[in-house]
Order: sequence, then C-alpha cells, then structure tokens
Amino acid sequence: GAVVSQHPSRVICKSGTSVKIECRSLDFQATTMFWYRQFPKKSLMLMATSNEGSKATYEQGVEKDKFLINHASLTLSTLTVTSAHPEDSSFYICSARRGPGYEQYFGPGTRLTVT
Amino acid sequence: AQTVTQSQPEMSVQEAETVTLSCTYDTSESDYYLFWYKQPPSRQMILVIRQEAYKQQNATENRFSVNFQKAAKSFSLKISDSQLGDAAMYFCAYRNGDAYNTDKLIFGTGTRLQVFP
Repeated sequence: GAVVSQHPSRVICKSGTSVKIECRSLDFQATTMFWYRQFPKKSLMLMATSNEGSKATYEQGVEKDKFLINHASLTLSTLTVTSAHPEDSSFYICSARRGPGYEQYFGPGTRLTVT
Repeated sequence: AQTVTQSQPEMSVQEAETVTLSCTYDTSESDYYLFWYKQPPSRQMILVIRQEAYKQQNATENRFSVNFQKAAKSFSLKISDSQLGDAAMYFCAYRNGDAYNTDKLIFGTGTRLQVFP
C-alpha cells in the first residue's frame, strides 16, 4: 500500500513563532497533496489543495498568508503556520495522491499546541 | 455544493453483533465516489470501503458492506461480527468523479462506534 508520513507527530510552540509540518509520500510520487485540520471530536476540514510545482488552492476562510503551503517535489509538501496563536492549536492531517482520480492516502497527523 | 450528513454521533454494538452506520449525501452530479473511513484512537485515517456511483452492486470488504441507495442518496455501512478493534470514529466521505475538475473529499461529521465485549 501507499505510505504517507508526517513530521513531527507532535509539536509545541510559543505564540508568535512559526512552525513547519512536513508531509511525505514514501513509496509513490504525489502530484497532489491535501492539508486538513481536525478539531477535537470533529470532522476533517480541508484547508488547501497543493499541486506539485504550483501554488496551493486554499478553501474559503483559510488565510493563505498564515498557512503557507509549499509542494516543491513529488514527495514532499510542507505546511508552515506563521505567527502561531493558541487558536491555531489543532490536529493537522495531510493526504497525498498520485494523480487525478487516484485514492488519497492519509498521513498519521501532527498535533500542534501553541502556548 | 455537495454535502455529507451523518445523523448518528455515537453508536454502540456488542462484540460479534452487527451494526449499521448511516450516511446521506446531496449532490447534483451523476459521477461520484463514496467512501467510509475509519479513524481509530491513533488518529490515522484508514479507508474501509469505497463505492462507485455508477456501480449498482454494493461494495463489500470482508466484514464490511455498504447499502448504496442512489435514488435516496443514502450510503450506509454495515459491520458484521463486530470486533473490539472496530471501535473508532467512522467518517462517510464523498468525491466527485470528474477528477480533472475537483476531486477533493467532503467528509461527514462522523459516528463514534463503541464495541462492548
């Protein structure tokens, strides 16, 4: 099966700092990666769709300057939370797919806590 | 816009028994896919089963099967011979079939399944 990893699995940062989360497809090339946010006991909310080599497409209400997404290679996408605030504390999940119409494979998630 | 609704926030089942989780959706598309994902306490999303809208036959994967009612826009998941390891959050999800347009997943709010020994 296809494997997607995320790093780190947990991160604690102070208010005002930036934190980067990596999403890697380990055994396949992913033309598209998706970033989700999940609040406790809630569903997954799509934040943005990231296509390799192009700018990410953000969902309505998601600040692109706050949640910077880079998809520089076919196996790596990064989400940088800039000037983090306590309300950014959440569980962030990425998924990756080979191409249009292919299945999405999910990473194990990253728990971000902003103090 | 497409929506997915799961009306059961929590369900419980006795080990070895059968349980059905409900899901309804709304779309004007004719070509789409439906999924059930499992999210155990580890938070890793696991694909349980998928159904192509153009297929009339209900998908099955071992103890998991779906009841796909296209006209009613209903997509329920049946878990037979429930096991303790089935305890998790279950999400119903929808994706358009036109992959070159937009194929993002739209999730329901989830159903928490408890399995009692």
